[in-house]
This record gives sequence, structure tokens and C-alpha cells, in this order.
Amino acid sequence: DAKTTQPTSMDCAEGRAANLPCNHSTISGNEYVYWYRQIHSQGPQYIIHGLKNNETNEMASLIITEDRKSSTLILPHATLRDTAVYYCILYNFNKFYFGSGTKLNVKP
Amino acid sequence: GAVVSQHPSWVICKSGTSVKIECRSLDFQATTMFWYRQFPKQSLMLMATSNEGSKATYEQGVEKDKFLINHASLTLSTLTVTSAHPEDSSFYICSARDSSHLKRHNYGYTFGSGTRLTVV
Repeated sequence: DAKTTQPTSMDCAEGRAANLPCNHSTISGNEYVYWYRQIHSQGPQYIIHGLKNNETNEMASLIITEDRKSSTLILPHATLRDTAVYYCILYNFNKFYFGSGTKLNVKP
Repeated sequence: GAVVSQHPSWVICKSGTSVKIECRSLDFQATTMFWYRQFPKQSLMLMATSNEGSKATYEQGVEKDKFLINHASLTLSTLTVTSAHPEDSSFYICSARDSSHLKRHNYGYTFGSGTRLTVV
């Protein structure tokens, strides 16, 4: 039931910005875009969410295109501890269905 | 922030026995909790929705008699894997949402740290 498409994996140099894309071309008007990450053998951790405006918090920024068919999660200064699987999820206050996510490898 | 506690964090059981996993919301009430299963190198698969005071609803293909869910209070849901077999070995994760979600900027769900089940 996942309605998002993400690259399988990405590499990022430590200290550089990590930009993780997500396609959600069938998003409906009441669906939010949520991002979670899962560090190995742990439960998913909330990062950020948005509806149509760009959002920023202490962890990341979320850029949503005007047509809402895609979004990008930005980690401004990636560290080794940001190595994880990042999930982009569409949510309409019903259930969270996880797609396959992007494995982000942050390298020294 | 909202905290969800899962217990145990890992368990090993013999084939044919039953195992109970607990999911507690520590500082909030949750009328709804979700149970996921994750196999190695795979994504989380939603198994069922646990509803306080009523029957759980299961996703297609999940055996409700195999995975018994009880949500007896606003802070506790349990998943019992009955007559466990080696193919039930997996990482089980629960999540819950603060029923008073409007007070927090995070409108989403908080996840537990997971339970690693190994059936031998």
C-alpha cells in the first residue's frame, strides 16, 4: 500500500548536505508527507512532516514541490550517526504504510 | 516527547510455544496502536491495528488466530504469537499516537524500540 518511490541507497560525505528524494505522484489532497528514519535494529524515529509548505526543524528540512508530487528531505550537515534507512510516507491520519526507503550511507 | 516502550527487547522461544510482546505508551494515552513486522533487510510491514476496547483489525494475509492482539487499556497493547514456528522469527515493532495529538507538533506516530523474536 506504500505510494512512495525512493532510491534504494545514497552516499553522502560527512559534513555535507544529504538530499533524499521521494516521489509520490498519486498523493491526495489530505495526505501529509512524513519522513522517518530507522537506524539498524531500532524502531523508526520521526524526522519531519509537511502538507504543502516547506518545513524545517532542528533535524532537517523538507521541501515539497508545488504540485506535491515529490519531496526532498535535507539533512544540512550529515554526520556518521545519520547513517540509516530513511522512509518517506504518505499519511492521512489513518495508517502508516512503509515503502522500501533509502539507505543513506554517510562516509568519513 | 511521547515515549513508547516495548518489552521484551529480544526473546528466544521453542517452536510450538507462545510468546507475548507488550507495547506501552508511557506518557500519553493511545486509543490506537499498530503492530509491524520486519524481516532482515526488508521494510516494515503493517500487521494489524490495535483498538482500545474493541477487536483488532488485521491487514490482508495476516492470520488473526496466529497473532493475537489485546488492547485492554489506553496505554497497553499486547501481541501474542501463538504456536510459534521458525518462520515467525522476525523483528516486531509497535507504534502509537498520542490521542491528544494537537498539543504536539508531531502529528505522527511514535515507535517502540522493537522486539527481536527468534524461534528455535
